[in-house]
Parts: sequence; structure tokens; C-alpha cells
Amino acid sequence: DVKVTQSSRYLVKRTGEKVFLECVQDMDHENMFWYRQDPGLGLRLIYFSYDVKMKEKGDIPEGYSVSREKKERFSLILESASTNQTSMYLCASSIPGQGAGEQYFGPGTRLTVT
Amino acid sequence: AQKITQTQPGMFVQEKEAVTLDCTYDTSDPSYGLFWYKQPSSGEMIFLIYQGSYDQQNATEGRYSLNFQKARKSANLVISASQLGDSAMYFCAMRSGSARQLTFGSGTQLTVLP
Repeated sequence: DVKVTQSSRYLVKRTGEKVFLECVQDMDHENMFWYRQDPGLGLRLIYFSYDVKMKEKGDIPEGYSVSREKKERFSLILESASTNQTSMYLCASSIPGQGAGEQYFGPGTRLTVT
Repeated sequence: AQKITQTQPGMFVQEKEAVTLDCTYDTSDPSYGLFWYKQPSSGEMIFLIYQGSYDQQNATEGRYSLNFQKARKSANLVISASQLGDSAMYFCAMRSGSARQLTFGSGTQLTVLP
């Protein structure tokens, strides 16, 4: 079974802090994704990566950056956390190509910025 | 641009009955894939079913089936013989063309009543 793990289930940070969210997958997937989930808005893509050191912006990249130094690990960075970044953050991975290529998700990190 | 619309924020169904969750999509790409995910209260996203745009038959996976109507651009999820454990948020998603990322709808909260 594919396993995607995230460093924390719950996180509380103060405004202005630098926040790191870590995601690790164990199935050698090329693609990794970071989403945020807010009520009524579904999941919105922040960034994704299709290879080590490669990244592409998603729909809502402002205020975030990412790092992928190793294939199995994809980090989301909030350079200076703000209250409007309070949300559920979900990491996912997948293999490229046609067909289902479904994404496998981690358990999520519920981040509160106060 | 790709768009997924789920018009039912919440649905109720009696245990053992069937339920249909609506999903419409919009894309100009002739090649695309449609996905349904389940998110229980624990937060983890669980892949349920996939339908490719060129698939001739509707996808089925156990009690889940996807009612794919290409001309209407709809991809409704049908759950037969509902169980209490089916109570969850359900998301429809699409991947267009060669894109790696998914576009998600806003979700439908399904509650199964005993």
C-alpha cells in the first residue's frame, strides 16, 4: 500500500512565524502535491512537483513556497504565517501518465495561525 | 479552464437505500479523467472510482458506480445499499489532458441515517 505521511496532524502557530509542513511518500512517486482545504471551497492546489527540485505553481501559491530536495519528500513553507492561512493542508502523490494515476493523500495537517 | 461543480452541499439517505451524488464538469480538452474521493471525519482522502473520457462503459467498483454522461458533462456517483460508514464528504475531481494536477469540486456531505 502507498503511504503518504505528514509531519503533524495539528499545528498552532503565531502570525509572522515561519512554518514548515513536511510530507513523505514511500512509493517512489514522481508527482507530489500540496492542497489546502476550506469549507465550501473544496481542495485548492497550492504547488506541485513532478521531479526533484522541480516545482510548479498551482491556483493559490501566494504566501507559500515549496522544496523538494529528495524524491520522497515535499515540504510546504509559509514564510510569514498569517491568519488567513488557517486551514487544512493535504499532501498527495501520484505516478505520471495516462489512466487513473490516482493521487494518494496523507492524513492532513490542520494549521491554526493566531 | 477546468471546472468541477457539485451542487449538493449536503445529502441524507436512509441506510440500505441507493443515493446519487451529482457532479458536472467543464473542460475543452477531449481527453480527461474523472475521479471520486471520500473524506471521512478523520480527514484522509480515499480514492473511490475513476472514469476516463474515452471509456465506453461506466466505471464500477463494488457498491460504487459512476454514471458518466459525456454529452451532458456529468459524472454522478451512485452508492448502492448505503451503510452508516458511508457518511462522509465526497469530492468529484478532474484531470484534463496531460495535466498532472486535479481540479476538485466543493464537495457533498453525505449522511446515512439508521
